Amino acid sequence: ETGVTQTPRHLVMGMTNKKSLKCEQHLGHNAMYWYKQSAKKPLELMFVYNFKEQTENNSVPSRFSPECPNSSHLFLHLHTLQPEDSALYLCASRQLASAGEQFFGPGTRLTVL
Amino acid sequence: SQQGEEDPQALSIQEGENATMNCSYKTSINNLQWYRQNSGRGLVHLILIRSNEREKHSGRLRVTLDTSKKSSSLLITASRAADTASYFCATEYAYSGAGSYQLTFGKGTKLSVIP
Repeated sequence: ETGVTQTPRHLVMGMTNKKSLKCEQHLGHNAMYWYKQSAKKPLELMFVYNFKEQTENNSVPSRFSPECPNSSHLFLHLHTLQPEDSALYLCASRQLASAGEQFFGPGTRLTVL
Repeated sequence: SQQGEEDPQALSIQEGENATMNCSYKTSINNLQWYRQNSGRGLVHLILIRSNEREKHSGRLRVTLDTSKKSSSLLITASRAADTASYFCATEYAYSGAGSYQLTFGKGTKLSVIP
């Protein structure tokens, strides 16, 4: 596997379910990001991890819980979501010492019923 | 907010024509980046221009940056049907003084290239 991978690619869940999204980067980067992309809205930054430490939480509701066990893996744990949380969730990584390019995964299309 | 705003929201051109997309932002930046997204997929980085640069080229792409006007443009020359996608500008700034960087994205321009 190369680049940034995300699983699952599609997820349908009820409002009372608990699920997790997984992201893995094979690029040796030291920063990872979660973004939310909803229809007709700009890409929203949710969480930032630098060297496995969370450095930013952009006022994300607590029903979204990130986890970064090491510099290659990033999880987003989902619990009691709302229908308005349906969106494309994108993971990205970058090397902090480099110019600034972020590498994105293909995303997880989440539908909350 | 640093948020970039792309213009136009949608653009439809014939194959072989040039496509120009514009981006405006609000405050100081380290750099400005352009990304491309095919429908429902992840974003792909196209080009980065630093705040002290005015123009940059990469293949059929030309990016300009005017920091006095807080604006950038992306030109795709000799467009192809495969260029059909959404294009986003993203501005980067450093925050927290701890080597942390954020990208702030605009809503994007949806480009359709008709064969």
